[in-house]
Amino acid sequence: GEDVEQSLFLSVREGDSSVINCTYTDSSSTYLYWYKQEPGAGLQLLTYIFSNMDMKQDQRLTVLLNKKDKHLSLRIADTQTGDSAIYFCAEGMDSSYKLIFGSGTRLLVRP
Amino acid sequence: EPEVTQTPSHQVTQMGQEVILRCVPISNHLYFYWYRQILGQKVEFLVSFYNNEISEKSEIFDDQFSVERPDGSNFTLKIRSTKLEDSAMYFCASRGTGNTEAFFGQGTRLTVV
Repeated sequence: GEDVEQSLFLSVREGDSSVINCTYTDSSSTYLYWYKQEPGAGLQLLTYIFSNMDMKQDQRLTVLLNKKDKHLSLRIADTQTGDSAIYFCAEGMDSSYKLIFGSGTRLLVRP
Repeated sequence: EPEVTQTPSHQVTQMGQEVILRCVPISNHLYFYWYRQILGQKVEFLVSFYNNEISEKSEIFDDQFSVERPDGSNFTLKIRSTKLEDSAMYFCASRGTGNTEAFFGQGTRLTVV
């Protein structure tokens, strides 16, 4: 079945890099996404990667995909206090584009 | 920048009552979705909608739920007889043709008492 797992919590110091990890089970995923949710707000798409790519870089964000191990990571360089939020990994299916979300990783950035 | 808007932001209802959650997707989008997030849990897929019909639904989306696009702009989720366990944040999303990105609304927090 479809399942996406993430660690629940990550704490980093301001200026350090953050790495949020995600594993998924469905090898037929076409796209893998990272969403950010700030308190009381909706889901903001940060970035996504097509399943035939290994890496995607977008400013401070780097996404790494290991398709063999079904492992996805999001690296945030020079983490700022404004990056404190919950980060959701999600896999998208080609047929319907419905998203299967992980449970979210709460990132706390300490000054 | 175009956005998905949802109303109301918070709805409190009594158990057994019907509720309608409203969404205005981005205007040229054709694919619409509802998701829900029970407090502290995962965001879960409920239903997808395209060409005026449901294209896929999850096990959660039982006979108590229905969706409708009553006019050219709104997309609604109706829960016929709410239960306590329906309390959650409900997110609407929309996607354009040939676009891999789904845009989410801010959510409606439904509290069933």
